[in-house]
Amino acid sequence: QKEVEQNSGPLSVPEGAIASLNCTYSDRGSQSFFWYRQYSGKSPELIMFIYSNGDKEDGRFTAQLNKASQYVSLLIRDSQPSDSATYLCTTGANSKLTFGKGITLSVRP
Amino acid sequence: SAVISQKPSRDICQRGTSLTIQCQVDSQVTMMFWYRQQPGQSLTLIATANQGSEATYESGFVIDKFPISRPNLTFSTLTVSNMSPEDSSIYLCSAGDRAYEQYFGPGTRLTVT
Repeated sequence: QKEVEQNSGPLSVPEGAIASLNCTYSDRGSQSFFWYRQYSGKSPELIMFIYSNGDKEDGRFTAQLNKASQYVSLLIRDSQPSDSATYLCTTGANSKLTFGKGITLSVRP
Repeated sequence: SAVISQKPSRDICQRGTSLTIQCQVDSQVTMMFWYRQQPGQSLTLIATANQGSEATYESGFVIDKFPISRPNLTFSTLTVSNMSPEDSSIYLCSAGDRAYEQYFGPGTRLTVT
């Protein structure tokens, strides 16, 4: 069973809109969640992590964690074409990360 | 954050040969990992490179095929042995002081003919 499921996408939004990327997880014991961004042909890069219930904001990015409902989200405000990439949400277990296929976001100019 | 370099960046190899990929980190780190990524697919963890001891391999990956070394806290190598076309992939090294906050190298694009 996958630890985190990326259950939306591919996603296409117009420039300037809010992009909402959502994941659900099955293990209630999961404590921390991470969002990685991977541009086509490039390596993944860590963009956000969240450990506590609620929201965490960093510039145009907001990570949301709802432990009661077991979902984690990434909101991108004022989406730009440069945000077009695959976004990977993951949680840690057994001192390693397990990645799913990710959510592909396309921001239309 | 750590800065990670990999060598070679790409290579074309013949079936049956071996290739060693090097991963260098600009600072000492606790954790180092090796991943494989097929085109259009997500990352698959090959193994955790442990400093001073044998690597910890994931299901489906064995030491004879993917020997890994980690002689110190800044360097690791992955060897792809007795290659076949199915080994054609991008191989990525990652590192960090926490297992869950990893920084990735640029990858090595391997083509086996």
